[in-house]
Amino acid sequence: DTEVTQTPKHLVMGMTNKKSLKCEQHMGHRAMYWYKQKAKKPPELMFVYSYEKLSINESVPSRFSPECPNSSLLNLHLHALQPEDSALYLCASSQDLQTSGGLAKNIQYFGAGTRLSVL
Amino acid sequence: AQSVAQPEDQVNVAEGNPLTVKCTYSVSGNPYLFWYVQYPNRGLQFLLKYITGDNLVKGSYGFEAEFNKSQTSFHLKKPSALVSDSALYFCAVRRGAAGNKLTFGGGTRVLVKP
Repeated sequence: DTEVTQTPKHLVMGMTNKKSLKCEQHMGHRAMYWYKQKAKKPPELMFVYSYEKLSINESVPSRFSPECPNSSLLNLHLHALQPEDSALYLCASSQDLQTSGGLAKNIQYFGAGTRLSVL
Repeated sequence: AQSVAQPEDQVNVAEGNPLTVKCTYSVSGNPYLFWYVQYPNRGLQFLLKYITGDNLVKGSYGFEAEFNKSQTSFHLKKPSALVSDSALYFCAVRRGAAGNKLTFGGGTRVLVKP
C-alpha cells in the first residue's frame, strides 16, 4: 500500500478564516512533506518533517503553520491567507534517509492534494 | 545547488508512436533522478528512478528512462504511446545523501492523439 490520504479534497476559505489541511499515511514513513502547486507549474517544497521534527522550512510565510502530531499524521494550519495562496496543496511521505538502508528507497509518495481557493 | 530542465512545455504524439520526454539536470555529486506523472486534479504518481547501476531503468506502465552521465540527461521513453498516457510529466533530482529535498523540472505536458 503506497497511499497518502489528504482531506479535504477541496476547500474554500475567506481571508479571515482559520482552516487546516490533513494528511495521513500508514506506510511507516518517517519523512513527510508539504508542497504547493500552482496550475501547470511544478510542486514547490514548503516544509519537510523528519521523525516528527521540522527539518526544512522553505521560507514559508507564517500564515502557514505545519504540525506533525505523530508519525502518521501531518497537518497544515492556515490563517489569514491571501488570494494568491490559492493552489493545490500536496502532501508526500517517504522513508527517511536515516533509515532507508540505501537511498534507493527514498521515493516520495504523494497524496491527491487539497485544492484551496482563498476568496 | 541542483536544477532540472525540461526543455519542452508540450509533446504531441500519435497513439502507437514512440514517446520521449526530455530531461537534463545539474547537480554536484551523484544524482538521484526520478520521473513522476500527474493526471488532472491529482497528485503525482511515481514512475521510475535512477539511483545507481544500469543506465536503462524500467518503470511503471511500460515507461523507461535512460541515464546519460556525459550528457547529464535522463529522458523518459515509451515505445508505443497510449491516449491514456496524456498527462503532465515531471522530472526530479536529488543530490545523493544530501537530504530529502527533491528539485522538480518545470513539467512537460504530453498529449497523445488517437
